[in-house]
Amino acid sequence: EAQVTQNPRYLITVTGKKLTVTCSQNMNHEYMSWYRQDPGLGLRQIYYSMNVEVTDKGDVPEGYKVSRKEKRNFPLILESPSPNQTSLYFCASSSNLDRLSNQPQHFGDGTRLSIL
Amino acid sequence: AQSVTQLDSHVSVSEGTPVLLRCNYSSSYSPSLFWYVQHPNKGLQLLLKYTSAATLVKGINGFEAEFKKSETSFHLTKPSAHMSDAAEYFCVVIRSSNTGKLIFGQGTTLQVKP
Repeated sequence: EAQVTQNPRYLITVTGKKLTVTCSQNMNHEYMSWYRQDPGLGLRQIYYSMNVEVTDKGDVPEGYKVSRKEKRNFPLILESPSPNQTSLYFCASSSNLDRLSNQPQHFGDGTRLSIL
Repeated sequence: AQSVTQLDSHVSVSEGTPVLLRCNYSSSYSPSLFWYVQHPNKGLQLLLKYTSAATLVKGINGFEAEFKKSETSFHLTKPSAHMSDAAEYFCVVIRSSNTGKLIFGQGTTLQVKP
């Protein structure tokens, strides 16, 4: 089954403790992206990646890092989490062909992070 | 620049009555538009998409949307609401096919009363 898998689904942690949210897709997609969802703001893009070793900032990249060492994985790293990063996070993926023809992206089920 | 505005943050309907969720967009060229639904504690599910083919787009679960260029609107409708339709709905426009960036509206919470 084609899917985008995020882990963990839920995490409560404390300020300053490094954490990583993993994202993996099994569709051989070149493009992957991270969004955060906050009430009244919809989803906003954090980082995206066009392919292996190619990443770029989205609209709200501050406080986050990403890496793309393998095509299937695109982890989101919070080196020193702060309470304002408490949010619902979504990973998405797409083939380059679909992206360039404006087709919908595939989304994971989300990761709810609470930073105390 | 592309943007979307969902005109209602909350809509409440009775089961069996019509649903209308409003979305206006701003785009400097012919946009690609989507509606996604998010049920509580679930991910985002694509309801329907408009990519410059037919202006009336049919989606899943009986939803449809009409692209109206003259009104810059892409409202989502359903003739008869079901309890299972209670969820949050997002209108989305593609900001750039190069970067793949999606611009999400603020979301509309649909409440369905028995």
